[in-house]
Amino acid sequence: QKEVEQNSGPLSVPEGAIASLNCTYSDRGSQSFFWYRQYSGKSPELIMFIYSNGDKEDGRFTAQLNKASQYVSLLIRDSQPSDSATYLCAVIWGSARQLTFGSGTQLTVLP
Amino acid sequence: SQTIHQWPATLVQPVGSPLSLECTVEGTSNPNLYWYRQAAGRGLQLLFYSVGIGQISSEVPQNLSASRPQDRQFILSSKKLLLSDSGFYLCAWTVVGGGGYTFGSGTRLTVV
Repeated sequence: QKEVEQNSGPLSVPEGAIASLNCTYSDRGSQSFFWYRQYSGKSPELIMFIYSNGDKEDGRFTAQLNKASQYVSLLIRDSQPSDSATYLCAVIWGSARQLTFGSGTQLTVLP
Repeated sequence: SQTIHQWPATLVQPVGSPLSLECTVEGTSNPNLYWYRQAAGRGLQLLFYSVGIGQISSEVPQNLSASRPQDRQFILSSKKLLLSDSGFYLCAWTVVGGGGYTFGSGTRLTVV
């Protein structure tokens, strides 16, 4: 069974700080990893995806993947109050590209 | 550009009543389609997925069913709703070789 684990939080950081969100996965054969942001009452929106070991940067967001440790993280630099949301880690598996989600980490950025 | 439509946005239904939620995708062909449910304060649970017309796979046995009558249309149904069916229902699509999913705006279902 595919499992994705996240710290549920809540995680609070001051405005301008770096927020670090972590995720581990159970299937060593997993190849594709995704981070979604979900505001309260809204549907998830894709922030980043990463396939290769190492770092991938997009604006204020950096995804980090370590397949040997089965660990993926998301760093948010210069955090803003508008970043306050639940962040979902997800892993693709299967021929139909099914996504298994973690339970999410609730982030609050304090002004 | 590709868009995904999901309706209705909110729904309140009595226990034992039927359900039909519809999702349509525009701007792409032969997408993979998915139905997820998110219970209050919980993560997303995959319910059904489809890789083509008439092809439905179920992840969780329950009193829900899904159908794909057209390439870009995905329907979630129930003959008799239970209280435990309450939740936020999300439709999503992707294509083979693509990135992550794109989600619809969701339907918040409350069974009373």
